[in-house]
Amino acid sequence: DQQVKQNSPSLSVQEGRISILNCDYTNSMFDYFLWYKKYPAEGPTFLISISSIKDKNEDGRFTVFLNKSAKHLSLHIVPSQPGDSAVYFCAARDLYNFNKFYFGSGTKLNVKP
Amino acid sequence: GAGVSQTPSNKVTEKGKYVELRCDPISGHTALYWYRQSLGQGPEFLIYFQGTGAADDSGLPNDRFFAVRPEGSVSTLKIQRTERGDSAVYLCASSLGGYSSTDTQYFGPGTRLTVL
Repeated sequence: DQQVKQNSPSLSVQEGRISILNCDYTNSMFDYFLWYKKYPAEGPTFLISISSIKDKNEDGRFTVFLNKSAKHLSLHIVPSQPGDSAVYFCAARDLYNFNKFYFGSGTKLNVKP
Repeated sequence: GAGVSQTPSNKVTEKGKYVELRCDPISGHTALYWYRQSLGQGPEFLIYFQGTGAADDSGLPNDRFFAVRPEGSVSTLKIQRTERGDSAVYLCASSLGGYSSTDTQYFGPGTRLTVL
């Protein structure tokens, strides 16, 4: 039973435009959410996170939005760059299980020059 | 400084054999995690160490899987009587540890295990 879902396996965006990656979760006890970026043959690298007490966190071109009532979060990348092409994973942590993280299946982003 | 390293990068074995996968965490990181990533899926939690002890091994799929971290640094994931379904990329991650909400996990490149 997947508690974190990324329903879009792939996304293609033109360079300079906005990329929006979506993630849904089912566990209302999740209190901390993260996005990771993964290039081929490398491990995932941390990108940005958000606590459940916030609804938005911004870091440069990357912004994560959290809608707790809808159990939905999204990652916005603007402007998108070809170097952003990678697989993006959404992850979440349980409030009572601090060190156990649940990952979505990933969305492969392709930013076209 | 050096990141998380994993050896071997690739391992091909035959069904029924025993394998060991090694993880060298970032120096000073007390927390260490093992994940399994099957094709088309995200990383799936296997086990978490805080220091030398396995604080949470609820993700280990069965008793063929075992992991150790005897000196609180390097960890070895051991798989007995391998099955074809064990084929996956095994990822290791480390973090400073503790209960900080900003405790970021740093992943290694993974070991791709193929069971023939």
